Amino acid sequence: GAVVSQHPSRVICKSGTSVKIECRSLDFQATTMFWYRQFPKQSLMLMATSNEGSKATYEQGVEKDKFLINHASLTLSTLTVTSAHPEDSSFYICSATDRVNGNTIYFGEGSWLTVV
Amino acid sequence: LAKTTQPISMDSYEGQEVNITCSHNNIATNDYITWYQQFPSQGPRFIIQGYKTKVTNEVASLFIPADRKSSTLSLPRVSLSDTAVYYCLVGGEAGRRALTFGSGTRLQVQP
Repeated sequence: GAVVSQHPSRVICKSGTSVKIECRSLDFQATTMFWYRQFPKQSLMLMATSNEGSKATYEQGVEKDKFLINHASLTLSTLTVTSAHPEDSSFYICSATDRVNGNTIYFGEGSWLTVV
Repeated sequence: LAKTTQPISMDSYEGQEVNITCSHNNIATNDYITWYQQFPSQGPRFIIQGYKTKVTNEVASLFIPADRKSSTLSLPRVSLSDTAVYYCLVGGEAGRRALTFGSGTRLQVQP
C-alpha cells in the first residue's frame, strides 16, 4: 500500500514552546490530509482536515490558533503545536488519501509528543 | 456520518479463525467500508476495504451482506502478532472526508 510518513516519531518539548510535526505522502500525491490525536487507550479523534493550498478545516473544540496546519504541497502537511502545555501531550497521527489507487486512506506511523 | 458499532473486545487462540462484526445501519449509498488494525503507539494500518459482497486479500476477508448495514472482518488462523485493536469505518466520500473512528475491537490472541 501507499506510504505516509511522519516526523519526528517522538518529541519532547518544554512547556510554552512550539513543536512541528511533518506528514508526508511518500509515493503518491495527497490533496487532502487529516490530522488526528489519540490519548492512551482511547480511539482516534479527528482534529482537522488539511487541504493543499487552502486553509485547514478544524473540528469543533480544536483551537486553530494553537494547532497550526499548513499543507503547502501535494506531499507535505505540517502540524505545529504552539505554546505547548502538558495537556497537549498525546499521540498525533496524520492520514492521506491515495486518490489514484482506490481512494484508500492511509495513516502515518504517528508522532508522540511529550510536553514537560 | 455513519456510526459504527463493534464489540469492545474479543479473545481467541492461535490458529483459530476470528470474525469481527461491525454494524453500520446508517451507511450511505456512496460509503465504502474499511477496516484498520492498530498496534500500540503506531498509526492504523489498512487491512481491507469493500463496498458490497465479499472481498479477499492476502491477510483477511470482508463479508458485506446485500443491505450493507453490517460487515464482518474475517482473519484466518490468527497468531499472537494479530493482537491489536481493529477499527471498522464507513464513509470518507472516496477520501475527501475524514474517517470517524469508533471505539474499535480489542482482539487478544492467546497461545
